[in-house]
This record gives sequence, C-alpha cells and structure tokens, in this order.
Amino acid sequence: NAGVMQNPRHLVRRRGQEARLRCSPMKGHSHVYWYRQLPEEGLKFMVYLQKENIIDESGMPKERFSAEFPKEGPSILRIQQVVRGDSAAYFCASSPGIQGIYIQYFGAGTRLSVL
Amino acid sequence: AQTVTQSQPEMSVQEAETVTLSCTYDTSESDYYLFWYKQPPSRQMILVIRQEAYKQQNATENRFSVNFQKAAKSFSLKISDSQLGDAAMYFCAYRSPSGSARQLTFGSGTQLTVLP
Repeated sequence: NAGVMQNPRHLVRRRGQEARLRCSPMKGHSHVYWYRQLPEEGLKFMVYLQKENIIDESGMPKERFSAEFPKEGPSILRIQQVVRGDSAAYFCASSPGIQGIYIQYFGAGTRLSVL
Repeated sequence: AQTVTQSQPEMSVQEAETVTLSCTYDTSESDYYLFWYKQPPSRQMILVIRQEAYKQQNATENRFSVNFQKAAKSFSLKISDSQLGDAAMYFCAYRSPSGSARQLTFGSGTQLTVLP
C-alpha cells in the first residue's frame, strides 16, 4: 500500500530553467495539496487540487508557478524561469476527499536547488 | 486568517524523561482540527497525533498525548518516556472543518533533541 510518492527527491536547476515536480497521491485519494518549506521555516500552503480542478490557489505566487492534477497521472507543480528564491523543499499531501476523513498524508518532498 | 504559534524553537529532553511542546493558535471558528506532525532528518512529514475541537477528551497515541485547552486556544504535545528516535522537528498544524479552506496552517516548529 504505497504512500504519497514524490519525484524527484532532489532537483537542481539553473536560474531561468523550468522545474517540474510530480506527486502521485495515495491510492483512492482524490485531493492533493502542495506546500513549500523554506529553510528553517514551517510548511506554507500553496495550492489545493481535486481531479482536473484547482480548488484553492491562494498560497501560490501569481507568476511563474502553476499546478495541475489531470484525470490520469500525477499532480504536477511547475515553476517556470526559476530564481534562487525558489530553492526550498516542496511537499505534496493527499487525502481521500470523503466527508469526515480529513487527515493529510505527506510525501517525502522534493528539494529544489537553484544555482 | 488562522495563525499557529510555536514559541519554543528548540527543546531538549533526557532519554526516558517527559517533555512538553507548546502550541497556541488563533481562530474565530468553533470547530476545527489540530495536528502534531514530526519531521525527522529524513524530512518526511509524519503524523503524530490529531484532535477534533468538538471532542473534549484529549487525544492519546501510545507515548504521545495532547493537552487541548479550547478556551485558551492551546494545544500542547507531551512525549513520555522519550526515545532517541523522537528527535525531530515537531510542527503543530490547524485545519478548518470544511469548505474550500482545507489546507493546513503550520507553526514554525520546535526542534527536539533527545539526550542519551
């Protein structure tokens, strides 16, 4: 029973390149959340998606960042034209989306380093 | 907006002793969920314990228990019989009960060191 799978675990990009982070939720989970953790800080919410829908993107920077959760395949967090300030750990969490089942299960994160 | 405050950036405890980590939060909602997550050096976020605000009884999971004081908006974590494997960063988190605001709001964390 696989947990939330994120890949890659580590990603190195040069300034101006694109970063694509992938998240496969737990089996049966239809809700995905992305969080960002800057060094020495707690996790900050970025975006909440259900299959084919963005429900809440209030924590996502307006430019260069986008997220999707297609009908088939993993959720993708995409960062265009990365800058040094994007260096962080990005965590994905999933939940079943069933009323009353509210726990979020986290992946191991992707650590993005921008050179 | 809800906020979560962890006022202890670092704590230490002797192995086999008990330690309490503090967490306070600010909300205008009457119903919500509270969590403690653990982040060891592997950086994996692991759920330690959860509490529903409508439940008066404090949650317990083996050596981990909480002291939930709803009126004071306080949610502390007690670790009994501390083990070396408990060393980690601990995050307190808040979640609204329903609607679109289902994201977790985290505190800044408490780094726990367990001394042998």
